Amino acid sequence: EAGVAQSPRYKIIEKRQSVAFWCNPISGHATLYWYQQILGQGPKLLIQFQNNGVVDDSQLPKDRFSAERLKGVDSTLKIQPAKLEDSAVYLCASRKPGANVLTFGAGSRLTVL
Amino acid sequence: KQEVTQIPAALSVPEGENLVLNCSFTDSAIYNLQWFRQDPGKGLTSLLLIQSSQREQTSGRLNASLDKSSGRSTLYIAASQPGDSATYLCALIQGAQKLVFGQGTRLTINP
Repeated sequence: EAGVAQSPRYKIIEKRQSVAFWCNPISGHATLYWYQQILGQGPKLLIQFQNNGVVDDSQLPKDRFSAERLKGVDSTLKIQPAKLEDSAVYLCASRKPGANVLTFGAGSRLTVL
Repeated sequence: KQEVTQIPAALSVPEGENLVLNCSFTDSAIYNLQWFRQDPGKGLTSLLLIQSSQREQTSGRLNASLDKSSGRSTLYIAASQPGDSATYLCALIQGAQKLVFGQGTRLTINP
């Protein structure tokens, strides 16, 4: 089975610019997660979707971050405007109904200059 | 709020040694605990999943234990190889399949 696809793999932007990341989960995986991993730290959950509804976005900085999963399949995460501290790897993961295990994508590495 | 700590932050050992990575957590009300491996520039690969009712899980040279009463988990790697070099992350699974991660241990196996 195909894995979780993410793009772009790398992005370099200036502060105050905007950026968008895309994730296509494994087919049939109803739950989708976006994590932020700052260098030297463990991943932190930004937002969790169940189909096209938000389950948890308590740690999403909503003044600059937004995410959507309109058709319950692929998802986009947007940052506008970006700050230096947003430099991180953004990981997408998905999980099929009833499963205990999440499958992670390779991540999108963002550098904000 | 659940806090997950991994010690040490980095570890370097010669090839062939057995080693233990530690993970501690503050809230024992967890569903499961999972150990991941992360290679540079890659995503996370699940290694072992321990259900909250279990004490340990084994896969090949890896053995993970869970002691909820003391808030600890260990990952034991036997006969380490250079290919084991990576960052190892533990994560607690709480309500709604939400993972809370430790900061990871960066492991280097020297040939």
